[in-house]
Amino acid sequence: ETVLTQSPGTLSLSPGERATLSCRASETVSSDYLAWYQQRPGQAPRLLIYASSTRATGIPDRFGGSGSGTDFTLTISRLEPEDFAVYYCHQYHNSPMTFGLGTKVEIK
Amino acid sequence: DVKLVESGGGLVRPGGSLRLSCVASGFRFDDYGMNWVRQVPGKGLEWVAGIKWNGENIGYEDSVKGRFIISRENTKNSVFLEMNNLRAEDTALYYCVKIRAYSGYADAFDLWGQGTQVTVSS
Repeated sequence: ETVLTQSPGTLSLSPGERATLSCRASETVSSDYLAWYQQRPGQAPRLLIYASSTRATGIPDRFGGSGSGTDFTLTISRLEPEDFAVYYCHQYHNSPMTFGLGTKVEIK
Repeated sequence: DVKLVESGGGLVRPGGSLRLSCVASGFRFDDYGMNWVRQVPGKGLEWVAGIKWNGENIGYEDSVKGRFIISRENTKNSVFLEMNNLRAEDTALYYCVKIRAYSGYADAFDLWGQGTQVTVSS
């Protein structure tokens, strides 16, 4: 199966700062088949980005996705208080679908 | 209101069975593939099973093959997960999820339920 390795495990930043989250795949993933989710405590995950770089409906433009092949990145340009959460990448190119273990973005 | 509502979770002994249900509302259910994803509290997400809109294409994560069965009933806007021969490692919060667009079941997940807890313990 395709293993997705997310780094760092925890990112400590202040509101207003830029966050850069990495997702590395153990084999090639088409850029059309990589998504990012946000999960706040006690809530279900929420789709942020699909097809590597397309924002889902209602997602603010401070969230951006990029990458191809085996390396993908989620960028949050300026952290808002509600952005402190756990972020997961998800590939749906290879079977079985897999998720990374997550990056926690915490308040510094 | 667009939503998914799961039910059927609970406490079960190892080797036992449970049937999870998910009822959809607010969208055309029979246009979309559906999946089940689980999460151990404080841990990551794991895809469990998926089913195409017409039920003709189904997939399972390896550890549940032969034990879990996913099905759907479009006339009732519902998807199900029948879980047999349950193990302690199946303990998790089970989410019902809708795919964003593609006609199969493998796609980004754009709608999640709130989950139903399954606990396997003696």
